[in-house]
This record gives sequence, structure tokens and C-alpha cells, in this order.
Amino acid sequence: GNSVTQMEGPVTLSEEAFLTINCTYTATGYPSLFWYVQYPGEGLQLLLKATKADDKGSNKGFEATYRKETTSFHLEKGSVQVSDSAVYFCALSDLNTNAGKSTFGDGTTLTVKP
Amino acid sequence: EPEVTQTPSHQVTQMGQEVILRCVPISNHLYFYWYRQILGQKVEFLVSFYNNEISEKSEIFDDQFSVERPDGSNFTLKIRSTKLEDSAMYFCASSDGQGYYGYTFGSGTRLTVV
Repeated sequence: GNSVTQMEGPVTLSEEAFLTINCTYTATGYPSLFWYVQYPGEGLQLLLKATKADDKGSNKGFEATYRKETTSFHLEKGSVQVSDSAVYFCALSDLNTNAGKSTFGDGTTLTVKP
Repeated sequence: EPEVTQTPSHQVTQMGQEVILRCVPISNHLYFYWYRQILGQKVEFLVSFYNNEISEKSEIFDDQFSVERPDGSNFTLKIRSTKLEDSAMYFCASSDGQGYYGYTFGSGTRLTVV
């Protein structure tokens, strides 16, 4: 079956530091890959996505590249801000799965200190 | 920007009682989902719904759970006889592309079973 493995947290960084959150996946078909962000007390928001190999998803300074050869989709940001403090979820959706069920990683909590 | 709306935001119920969680998906979306999140971390798939029927359900979605789209706009999750372990955040999501391009999530209903 499909699975997503994320770097364990929590991650604590100083403002303007470089962020990497690792994500690897296992899928039977050709999945789309996503990063979702969840701010305290809120629902999940789609941060970025990539639907095929070598695609780069980007949004709000965050980037992730779909690497089929390493089955990875690592999230990066060059300079984090306090407002980036949140829980980040890597996820995949496989067209081979009926109606596009998504499989989520366990989430990585990021805290950015001023 | 279109939103997925969930009500109530917080529900407290006694063990053994029935609860109905309500969602209004984005109007032109065709695929609907319920997920739950326990302790603010793991996001677990419950059920997907398309064309007025369940497309897929997880092992969590046993006989005490049911979903309905009663009037073409609302999408409800019913738990017939709540248990303590049903306490969680329940998120509704919708998609216009079978989940392949990501979901729009609602802000969730926090269910507390006492």
C-alpha cells in the first residue's frame, strides 16, 4: 500500500534560518505529492503540489521537487519567519486509488524563534 | 476564495449518543472526504464520496459511521453511538479533481466524547 514517511520533529529554528523537512514515499502507481500546513487551531491548507516527476511545487517561499528516483519530496525554504511556525504534512494521492484518497505523513512541527 | 465550511466547530457529547457533523463543500467540487486527526498529529482517512455514494472507506469507518449528502449542498458525517476513542478533530475536504490536485479542507469540528 501507499505510505509517507516524514522527518521527525519537532524542529526549532531561528528566524532567517534555512529549512528542510524530509519526506519520502511509497506508492504503487503514479502519485501526486503535496505539502499541507496546519497553523495552530486551524485546518489543513494546501501549501504546494507536484503531479509528476521532476515537477517543482512552490508557494510563499517554500519549494519541493518531485524526485521519482529517490521517491522523495523534501520541503525547503531559504529564510523562515516566525509566522511559518506550524505543523507541516507531506501527503500523496494516487490515481490508482478510487476517488483520490490521500495518505498523510505524521506531520512535522516547526517552531521559529525570533 | 471558496471555502469548505464545517459546523459545529466544537461538539461535546456523552458516550453512546449520536452526533452529526456538517460540512458545506465548495459548490463545483464533486469529490468529498472525511478525515480525522487525533492529538493534533496523525491525519487519518475515513471515507470518500462521489456521485452520491461511498467510493472508499477505511477500516476505521465501521458500522457506527455513515455519510450523506442530503440536499445537494451539505455533506454530513453521522456517528451513531459515540465512544471515548472517537474524540478527535474531524475534517471535511472537497476536490474538483479526484484529489489528484489536492484538497480544500474545512476548519474542522472538535468532537469530545465524555
